[in-house]
Amino acid sequence: GQQLNQSPQSMFIQEGEDVSMNCTSSSIFNTWLWYKQEPGEGPVLLIALYKAGELTSNGRLTAQFGITRKDSFLNISASIPSDVGIYFCAGPLYNTDKLIFGTGTRLQVFP
Amino acid sequence: ETGVTQTPRHLVMGMTNKKSLKCEQHLGHNAMYWYKQSAKKPLELMFVYSLEERVENNSVPSRFSPECPNSSHLFLHLHTLQPEDSALYLCASSLGLAGGYEQYFGPGTRLTVT
Repeated sequence: GQQLNQSPQSMFIQEGEDVSMNCTSSSIFNTWLWYKQEPGEGPVLLIALYKAGELTSNGRLTAQFGITRKDSFLNISASIPSDVGIYFCAGPLYNTDKLIFGTGTRLQVFP
Repeated sequence: ETGVTQTPRHLVMGMTNKKSLKCEQHLGHNAMYWYKQSAKKPLELMFVYSLEERVENNSVPSRFSPECPNSSHLFLHLHTLQPEDSALYLCASSLGLAGGYEQYFGPGTRLTVT
C-alpha cells in the first residue's frame, strides 16, 4: 500500500541554523501537505503543494513538490526555538479524501 | 485558531465509564474525521464522515461509536474502554473530495483510561 517515509526521524539543531527534511514514497502523489504538531496540540497545516516541481513558501518555511511526484522537501531557514515540534508530510489516498501521514520528523532547537 | 474545536481537552475515565468526545468545525466543511494518535505511532484514521454519512470505519472496535448529527458536529462515544485506548484523539475537517485534500485539525482530547 501507499506509505510515506520521512527523514531524518529527529534533528537537534542550534538556533539560527537552517533545517532540511524530506518525505518519500514508492507511489505517486498528486498533492503534498506539510503539517507541524506541537506537544499536546493537533497538527497545523503549514504548506500545500499541488504540482510537480512547485516551490511554495510560508515565511521562513519553503516546501517543494518533487518532480518525480514521489517525494517532497521542507526547509526551515534561520530556525528559532518556537520551530520545535514534529513535522509531518501527508498525501491523499488515490481517489479518496483520506490522507496518509508520514512517520514525522521531530525537531529540537537549542538557543 | 484553526476553526475546529474539541472538548474536553483532557479526559480520565475508568474502564466501566461511558463518556463522549465532541468536535465542532466552523469552516463550512463537508467531511469530518476521527484520528487516534498514540505515542511513537503514526496517526491512525478511525472514522470518516462525508455529508453526515459514515463512509469509512477502519476496523475500529465497537467500544468506539461515532455520531455526526450535522455537518458541523462530530461525536465519539466511548464505553468500556481498555488502557491501550489511552491516546490523543484528534478531529479534523475538510471540504471533501470536491474541494481539496487539506484537513484542518482540532487541538485534540488527551484520553487516559485507568
